[in-house]
Amino acid sequence: QLVLTQSPSASASLGASVNLTCTLSSGHSSYAIAWHQQQPEKGPRFLMKLNSDGRFSKGDGIPDRFSGSISGAERYLTISNLHSEDEAEYYCQTWGAGIGVFGGGTKLTVL
Amino acid sequence: QVHLVQSGAEVKKPGSSVKVSCKTTGGPFTNYVITWVRQAPGQGLEWMGGIIPIFGTAKYAQKFLGRVTITADESTTTTYMEISSLKSDDTAVYYCARGRYSGYVPGFDPWGQGTQVTVSS
Repeated sequence: QLVLTQSPSASASLGASVNLTCTLSSGHSSYAIAWHQQQPEKGPRFLMKLNSDGRFSKGDGIPDRFSGSISGAERYLTISNLHSEDEAEYYCQTWGAGIGVFGGGTKLTVL
Repeated sequence: QVHLVQSGAEVKKPGSSVKVSCKTTGGPFTNYVITWVRQAPGQGLEWMGGIIPIFGTAKYAQKFLGRVTITADESTTTTYMEISSLKSDDTAVYYCARGRYSGYVPGFDPWGQGTQVTVSS
């Protein structure tokens, strides 16, 4: 069964960098994923698609501070030079045989 | 630029049904998946189902099979999501979102503004 696993929470200081992780379940390590951000009291927005070869393509207007990378079944979202507005929930998402899957989300706190 | 506009908030009684609409404007409709995602209070995003209008057949998360119906009207570029037998834990914000890329490729962009559905006696 296709499952995306995320840590429930993460924190980092203003101006620092943070890596958020999304882990694909066994047998699905070649899947591409997408990262979405949901700021408090707002709807989700698309950040990037992250391919299984490590290449990523970002949405319109997403700052250069946001990047993606992979290692095996792990998919990473790196945010550099953290701003206060980066405090949000981050969700990874993919498809399996036409069925959509979201990770449980990681709540990022900017200290 | 593509926009998704959803219908307004609904308050429903337990056991009733609700139908939420999502109109696509400003871009192609038929080859892109329109997906429905809900978010209960304080919870994460939950994928409910989706439809690629040119194919016409929706797919659903196991949890919603038999209780949720997703349809698409190409003439009005509008997608509908109907839930029957509503329960209090169906209270949530319901979002539609379009696939950023055609077909089943990860990434939803744009998203609708969300529709609050409240189930209460």
